[in-house]
Amino acid sequence: DIQMTQSPSSLSASVGDRVTITCRASQDVRKYVNWYQQKPGKAPELLIYEASNLEIGVPSRFSGSGSGTDFTLTISSLQPEDIATYFCQQYHTLYTFGQGTKLELK
Amino acid sequence: QVQLAESGGGVVLPGRSLRLSCAVSGITFSSNAMHWVRQAPGKGLEWVAVISDDGSNTYYADSMKGRFTISRDNFKNTLFLQMNSLRPEDTAVYYCARDPNYHRTGSWGWFHPWGQGTLVTVSS
Repeated sequence: DIQMTQSPSSLSASVGDRVTITCRASQDVRKYVNWYQQKPGKAPELLIYEASNLEIGVPSRFSGSGSGTDFTLTISSLQPEDIATYFCQQYHTLYTFGQGTKLELK
Repeated sequence: QVQLAESGGGVVLPGRSLRLSCAVSGITFSSNAMHWVRQAPGKGLEWVAVISDDGSNTYYADSMKGRFTISRDNFKNTLFLQMNSLRPEDTAVYYCARDPNYHRTGSWGWFHPWGQGTLVTVSS
């Protein structure tokens, strides 16, 4: 099974900060990684698909990069509504999620 | 607008069965692969199963294989998850989700959108 390891598991940042979340795959998954945002009590929502493609309607402050085993989700300027938990997910071989990164306001 | 609405959750005794449903509207259901994903209370996301648009192909997470069955009724625009031999560790919110990449390319992809989820509690 392919494991996805996210870091950090939690993160505290201020409005306007640049935030970076990383995800490492246990083996090469090419570009087959997606990112989701989940707010408390809500279903996850797709942010980025295929490593770097912004889903329609997602603010442009979100971006994704990476290939192979190392992937990054970046929020260029943190907004209060971005407070949530973020998950990466690989689909190279079936599907595996990272354990999540909880983003809080400092 | 795509809408997915899960139902069928509840409290069930260990070893018993439960069938979840996901009613889909706003898309041509029969052209879309569909997934079930679950989330234990306070925990992360765990993929459960996927079914192709015509139902001919299904795949399961190892921990669910042999106990869970994913199926669909393309005439009723409904996705199902039959869960047998339930265990306390199956307690979770179960989400259904569409796979938009399968519709475009014929390859599995991502989950979008998701339903609101239905809570399954396995407890004596």
